Order: sequence, then structure tokens, then C-alpha cells
Amino acid sequence: AQSVAQPEDQVNVAEGNPLTVKCTYSVSGNPYLFWYVQYPNRGLQFLLKYITGDNLVKGSYGFEAEFNKSQTSFHLKKPSALVSDSALYFCAVRGSLASNTGKLIFGQGTTLQVKP
Amino acid sequence: NAGVTQTPKFQVLKTGQSMTLQCAQDMNHEYMSWYRQDPGMGLRLIHYSVGAGITDQGEVPNGYNVSRSTTEDFPLRLLSAAPSQTSVYFCASSSRTRDVEKLFFGSGTQLSVL
Repeated sequence: AQSVAQPEDQVNVAEGNPLTVKCTYSVSGNPYLFWYVQYPNRGLQFLLKYITGDNLVKGSYGFEAEFNKSQTSFHLKKPSALVSDSALYFCAVRGSLASNTGKLIFGQGTTLQVKP
Repeated sequence: NAGVTQTPKFQVLKTGQSMTLQCAQDMNHEYMSWYRQDPGMGLRLIHYSVGAGITDQGEVPNGYNVSRSTTEDFPLRLLSAAPSQTSVYFCASSSRTRDVEKLFFGSGTQLSVL
């Protein structure tokens, strides 16, 4: 069975500091991994994805994510946090053996709070 | 370009009532899906569709019906509302031919069942 875990309900960082939001996964076959962000009272927005290739993936708004196959992790990172980055972040996955129909398995979400 | 439009934004129902959550997209996307968002549980897939006339169940389909008569519309019907269906509901769409896992979400419907 496919699953995604985000071990932290909330991450607090000071503005200007680096941030990391953690994600681990379990899938059949190779993983297709994604990060989405949800701002208050909005739907989710796509940030970035990993399908294959370079383990460091760059996405929107200065975010990047590092794929680590041995640790089955896909942590979201940003070198310098902004207050406007405060939002709810979701990791999602699809295994390569699953049907390619746009269905994703989402983690439970991590609230990022960036303080001035 | 409106993207994915959901109506209503808020709804309060009494137990046993029925209603339909509307979802429409103007991007000519083949794939559409409904998720519910509950605290601590993330998003869970209710139903999805890969094209007009084709629907299938997701992870939590009980108590919900869908149909897809056109590419644009994918309504979600609650047959007999229960308090356990209190949630925020999101509709999403994606293109079959361009980045199928890049989902475009509506702004959600917050549903309370009393």
C-alpha cells in the first residue's frame, strides 16, 4: 500500500532562517513525489515534483526538495524563510506501478509558521 | 481563465438532508477528482473521473455519488448527510497529456452537518 507521512504537525522558523518540512513515503515501484502548499482559505497549489533524475528538485517561490531513496524521504527546503511562506504544506506520492490517472496519496500536512 | 470553480463555499445541512456540491473547470482537463480534508488526516480521495462518462471510487466513497456527463462538470452528491461528513471538500482537475499529477484545486466547500 502507498502511504505518505509528515512527522511534524507544525514547524516554526524565524524569518531569514533556513526551513525544512519533512516527508517520508512508502510506495510500490519508483516514487513520483510532490509538494503542494495551501494558503488560508484557498485550495492547494502545486510547488514541485520529483519523477526521476537529479535528487535536488527546484520549484516555485524559491522552494526545493531533496529526494533520498535510501531513507525514503522527500524533504522540502528553503534557504531563507519569508513570513509569506507561512501556510499548510502537503507531501504527496504516486508509485510507478499505480495507474497514471492523476490520483495522489497525500500526507496529513505540516503547518509552517515563519515569525518576523 | 477561472480554473476550477466550486460552489457553494459554505453549507450547513441537517442530518439526513441531501445536497450537491458543484465543480466546474474551464481548462479542458480530462481528469477530475474530489477530496475531503480533515484535520490531522490530510486529503483523502472520494471519487475520481478520467473522462466524461467514466467515474471510479477513491479511498472514502461511502455516502457520496458522482457523475460526469461533460468534461467541464463533476458534481458530488451527498445522499443522506451525516455528521461524519462534516469536512472541507476540494475538487481538482489535471490534464491527461500535460503533467497529469499537477493538480489544479478549487477553493473548497466547507460543509457542516448538524
